[in-house]
Amino acid sequence: NAGVTQTPKFQVLKTGQSMTLQCAQDMNHNSMYWYRQDPGMGLRLIYYSASEGTTDKGEVPNGYNVSRLNKREFSLRLESAAPSQTSVYFCASRMDRGGNTEAFFGQGTRLTVV
Amino acid sequence: AQTVTQSQPEMSVQEAETVTLSCTYDTSENNYYLFWYKQPPSRQMILVIRQEAYKQQNATENRFSVNFQKAAKSFILKISDSQLGDTAMYFCAFTITSGTYKYIFGTGTRLKVLA
Repeated sequence: NAGVTQTPKFQVLKTGQSMTLQCAQDMNHNSMYWYRQDPGMGLRLIYYSASEGTTDKGEVPNGYNVSRLNKREFSLRLESAAPSQTSVYFCASRMDRGGNTEAFFGQGTRLTVV
Repeated sequence: AQTVTQSQPEMSVQEAETVTLSCTYDTSENNYYLFWYKQPPSRQMILVIRQEAYKQQNATENRFSVNFQKAAKSFILKISDSQLGDTAMYFCAFTITSGTYKYIFGTGTRLKVLA
């Protein structure tokens, strides 16, 4: 049982380059999330998807786009990377029934923009 | 808007001792859930304990327990008999039970258990 799988684990980009972070879950979860983690700032929500075909902005959506390809996959795209997007990115998913269900996280992607 | 505040950036505790980590939150909702997540150096996020707001009884999970004060909007994690493996970043998180269930995280407390 793989849980939540993120690729890649590490990435270095030059300013202005684009890339897509991939996330897939095999737990039949409805909701999926993208967070970024920066020192002293905790995890901040970038985008989320309550169900297949729907996406919504979180706290820090600027500079990112997302795509909920199907129930399993939720990708995060940086169209023109900036040094301010250097961070660790986490994908998460949860069943979203009753609100108390645990969120399962991927291993994270450490992205450096130079 | 909901917010979660962790006022202790770093804490340390001697092995086998007890430590408490603080979390306060702000919400106008009545039904919600609170969580503590642990992030060891491996970066993996691990659920430690959860609390439903409508339950008055404080949650416990082995050496981990919480002191939940709904009126004060306080959610304190207590780790008893601290072990070296408890060294990690700890995040408090909040989610409401209506609408889309977003998780809101605090800024984290880095806990170091000393041998």
